[in-house]
Amino acid sequence: TQLLEQSPQFLSIQEGENLTVYCNSSSVFSSLQWYRQEPGEGPVLLVTVVTGGEVKKLKRLTFQFGDARKDSSLHITAAQPGDTGLYLCAGVISGGSNYKLTFGKGTLLTVNP
Amino acid sequence: SQTIHQWPATLVQPVGSPLSLECTVEGTSNPNLYWYRQAAGRGLQLLFYSVGIGQISSEVPQNLSASRPQDRQFILSSKKLLLSDSGFYLCAWTGGETQYFGPGTRLLVL
Repeated sequence: TQLLEQSPQFLSIQEGENLTVYCNSSSVFSSLQWYRQEPGEGPVLLVTVVTGGEVKKLKRLTFQFGDARKDSSLHITAAQPGDTGLYLCAGVISGGSNYKLTFGKGTLLTVNP
Repeated sequence: SQTIHQWPATLVQPVGSPLSLECTVEGTSNPNLYWYRQAAGRGLQLLFYSVGIGQISSEVPQNLSASRPQDRQFILSSKKLLLSDSGFYLCAWTGGETQYFGPGTRLLVL
């Protein structure tokens, strides 16, 4: 059973377009993180959201945590080729072990110039 | 600042051969340490985690083992590699609930 479902799995768009990727679960998370990973490298943290309904912005990236803390979205405005990569969401399940993050399978984004 | 090292960066090994991947962390003490495997550039599967020296928790039954001989050293091993052990192996440590990843080791078992 995949606790965190990410969609879409693959996304290929043109430079300048907007996009949204989703991270959904039936479990409640005490916090949720988004990472970006480039080929051959380890994932790098983009943002952590902890409060239901929270919205965080990082330049052209907007992250939202659902009110019930079961889902999250990442919206990218005016995508650029440098945004290309694998976007992973991960969370600490509320009431579970604080030592373990649960990862989604990721959304592989390609932005074409 | 904290840094995390992994080596080797790339490894090609025959089926049945042993394996030892090393991960070390600098700039922090008593970190929680993790080994993940990532297949085909997709999601991360947690293999082992450790909250202290000699303390290893295994997440999935498999052909691999882990050890933590020192506070900031985490080793992933196998006595006999299988084809299915191929993948990208990532070590990580936690600062709060955030995980910081190493550069990874690409393992190809032939």
